This record gives sequence, structure tokens and C-alpha cells, in this order.
Amino acid sequence: GAVVSQHPSRVICKSGTSVKIECRSLDFQATTMFWYRQFPKQSLMLMATSNEGSKATYEQGVEKDKFLINHASLTLSTLTVTSAHPEDSSFYICSASTSGDYEQYFGPGTRLTVT
Amino acid sequence: GNSVTQMEGPVTLSEEAFLTINCTYTATGYPSLFWYVQYPGEGLQLLLKATKADDKGSNKGFEATYRKETTSFHLEKGSVQVSDSAVYFCALLSGSARQLTFGSGTQLTVLP
Repeated sequence: GAVVSQHPSRVICKSGTSVKIECRSLDFQATTMFWYRQFPKQSLMLMATSNEGSKATYEQGVEKDKFLINHASLTLSTLTVTSAHPEDSSFYICSASTSGDYEQYFGPGTRLTVT
Repeated sequence: GNSVTQMEGPVTLSEEAFLTINCTYTATGYPSLFWYVQYPGEGLQLLLKATKADDKGSNKGFEATYRKETTSFHLEKGSVQVSDSAVYFCALLSGSARQLTFGSGTQLTVLP
């Protein structure tokens, strides 16, 4: 149980385009989802926290207009990187938790490369 | 604020060697502590956890004990295998925001 999927696993896009990453909880209802960014050989940096049906809470320094997060249902959250630039290239990981459980269940990650 | 300090890597061991990866933390209140493992190109998997002082988390031969007096949660394994090669993250969860604070990660390579 407690499986989280991400799609796509890898994406290459051209500079200036937008790309959407999906995070799904497959066998539980995720009241809270978290989006992280990980640079090579570094730790995870929390970008934002989203609760189902509410606006996401962004961490300091994360541009909310560039990284659009939508958590429209209890099983799906999306991260859209708008007008992507090469410096947005990174590994993006989501996690999900339920209201009655503090534990976070992580997705397998999405490798974004902006050319 | 909360913080997690991990032993810097990379760590390279021979198969069947003893492993210790140190982790200390600073937190308000009584955090829950976690070890996650990340295999190449993949997301994080929970390895073990402990939710209160003196609890010992264990899984797949790995162990860590929540030591409040030394604010530590060191990861140990008696005999590592090549398949244990991965990056290991220590993390804590504290406060109502339910946000994890991660350490910097430790790369472990086990040689046959």
C-alpha cells in the first residue's frame, strides 16, 4: 500500500515552453502533497506544500508564478514549470500524506531537462 | 529552527563490513526521526523510523536508535551488501506543518 506515482519519469523540453508533472497517490487519499527539488548530489529542497482544494504554500525563494501547483483531488497534484529555462533542469520529487498519518510517501521522481 | 547534520560522504566499504552513518539533529519539541534511502535515478524509500526517545527503528538489517540525550539517530548495519549502495538521508518531522527536514545525504558504495 501507500504507492505514489509520478508522470513522466523523464522529460526534455525546449527553453520557453511549459511542462506539467503529475503526482498521484494510487491506493490512498492524499490530503497533503509536497513538492521537492533535488540538484545532483544534493539533498531535497522543499518547494511547496499543497492541501487538497486549497492554494499551495510556497517556501521562501520559490516563485509561485513559475512553479504552478494544483491539488484538485485527493489523489492528484500537478506541478507546472512555466516558461522553463535550463536552470530549471533538476530532479523533481513529490510526496503525499494522509490526514491521519504524519508519514510521507514519496514518488519515484521526474527528471526534467531544459535545452 | 530544525536542522539535521549528517556524516559527510562518500563512504566506501567492502562487502560484509560494518556501517555507521552519523546523524544529529536540532529541533524544538519531540520530533520523529527517519532514515530514507535513494537508489540511483529513483525517489526516496523509507528505510526506518522512530517516533520517541529510546525507540529503535530497524529494517533489512539496518538499525537506528533515537537518542534524545545526544540528539542523535545514527544508522548502523552489521554487514553491508553491494545492493546497499545508495544515498542515505536522515530526516526529522516536527511541528504541525508536518514538513520533513532532511540532512545532506550520504553516498554509500559497497564494493564486492
